[in-house]
Amino acid sequence: SYVLTQPPSVSVAPGQTARITCGGNNIGSKSVHWYQQKPGQAPVLVVYDDSDRPSGIPERFSGSNSGNTATLTISRVEAGDEADYYCQVWDSSSDHFNWVFGGGTKLTVL
Amino acid sequence: EVQLVESGGGLVQPGGSLRLSCAASGFTVSSNYMSWVRQAPGKGLEWVSVIYSGGSTYYADSVKGRFTISRDNSKNTLYLQMNSLRAEDTAVYYCARGVRILYYFDYWGQGTLVTVSS
Repeated sequence: SYVLTQPPSVSVAPGQTARITCGGNNIGSKSVHWYQQKPGQAPVLVVYDDSDRPSGIPERFSGSNSGNTATLTISRVEAGDEADYYCQVWDSSSDHFNWVFGGGTKLTVL
Repeated sequence: EVQLVESGGGLVQPGGSLRLSCAASGFTVSSNYMSWVRQAPGKGLEWVSVIYSGGSTYYADSVKGRFTISRDNSKNTLYLQMNSLRAEDTAVYYCARGVRILYYFDYWGQGTLVTVSS
């Protein structure tokens, strides 16, 4: 089955840029989606199809995807961005369809 | 406004059963594909099951043969029947609306906690 690998944690100072990676075999050939989850809350979609943003998501959130790594970039990080972030792809390579999530990255704003 | 509201969670003994519900508003459940995604305490997200608009269903290997996803179009509600529950099924269960072609989830419910323990 397809595996997505994320760093457990990323720390960044307010106003700086945070980059959260998501590794997978030839992930550049897949569409990658990113969710933000704050404690006690449901996940919220922040980036879909590698780099598109849903309405209401600040332009500070952007994404890229190439080769074996997808990246979520958060510019001008704010305290309110502190959360867990999950990448997700749809895998149809096995004998059935499967939505695959990365293990999640905890973003800490210093 | 799209809303998803889960219910039915609780404490159940190993081997027991539980049925989760997800009441939808602001859209038609049968016109979209819908999934259940769970999150064990302190852990990440795990996809559990999907039901497509045409009625086809699929399950993660970890729940296949024990869980059944269904919907009631007249009530615009999604269900997850969970049988033969195990301690490792303990999690918050979210229902989520799927987006076609790109296969992501654009709306999530607030989740309902299922605890399997004796």
